[in-house]
Amino acid sequence: AQSVAQPEDQVNVAEGNPLTVKCTYSVSGNPYLFWYVQYPNRGLQFLLKYITGDNLVKGSYGFEAEFNKSQTSFHLKKPSALVSDSALYFCAVRDGASGGGADGLTFGKGTHLIIQP
Amino acid sequence: DAGITQSPRHKVTETGTPVTLRCHQTENHRYMYWYRQDPGHGLRLIHYSYGVKDTDKGEVSDGYSVSRSKTEDFLLTLESATSSQTSVYFCAISESIGGPYEQYFGPGTRLTVT
Repeated sequence: AQSVAQPEDQVNVAEGNPLTVKCTYSVSGNPYLFWYVQYPNRGLQFLLKYITGDNLVKGSYGFEAEFNKSQTSFHLKKPSALVSDSALYFCAVRDGASGGGADGLTFGKGTHLIIQP
Repeated sequence: DAGITQSPRHKVTETGTPVTLRCHQTENHRYMYWYRQDPGHGLRLIHYSYGVKDTDKGEVSDGYSVSRSKTEDFLLTLESATSSQTSVYFCAISESIGGPYEQYFGPGTRLTVT
């Protein structure tokens, strides 16, 4: 079975500082990893994904994520936080060995990111 | 929101009444999903569809049924709503059900069962 853990319910960062939102995963095969962002009263928006290749993946709004196979992690990062980055962030994983369907995409419980002016 | 609409956006209903939520897409994607979002649980898959009239259960399917008579529409029905089904419901679509394909989400429906 596949699983995702986001160990922090909330992350507080001062505007202009770098931010990191943590995600660890567990799959039996090779992972496909995703980050989504949810603003208040909105649906989830796709930010970026890791399939294979370069461990540093760049996405929308200046976000990037670093895949670390040995630590089974896929942490979301941004060099300089903006107040507008305040939102709920979800990590998700799919086992590359699965056919999808009911076992397709597993989401973490989400991390509230709060950027303080 | 990637050509996905959900209706209604908000609904308050009483326990025991039937409720149908609609998801409509203009992307012509084959795969569609219904999730519920609850604090502390993230998103949980209710049902999904891999084509017209082809559907299957997800993680939390009890008390829910779905139908897909057209590529663009995916309906979620609560036959007899209960307070435990108070939640925010999201529809999603994708090009493929497996592999490295991301899902795209609609704006959500906030359902309150009193």
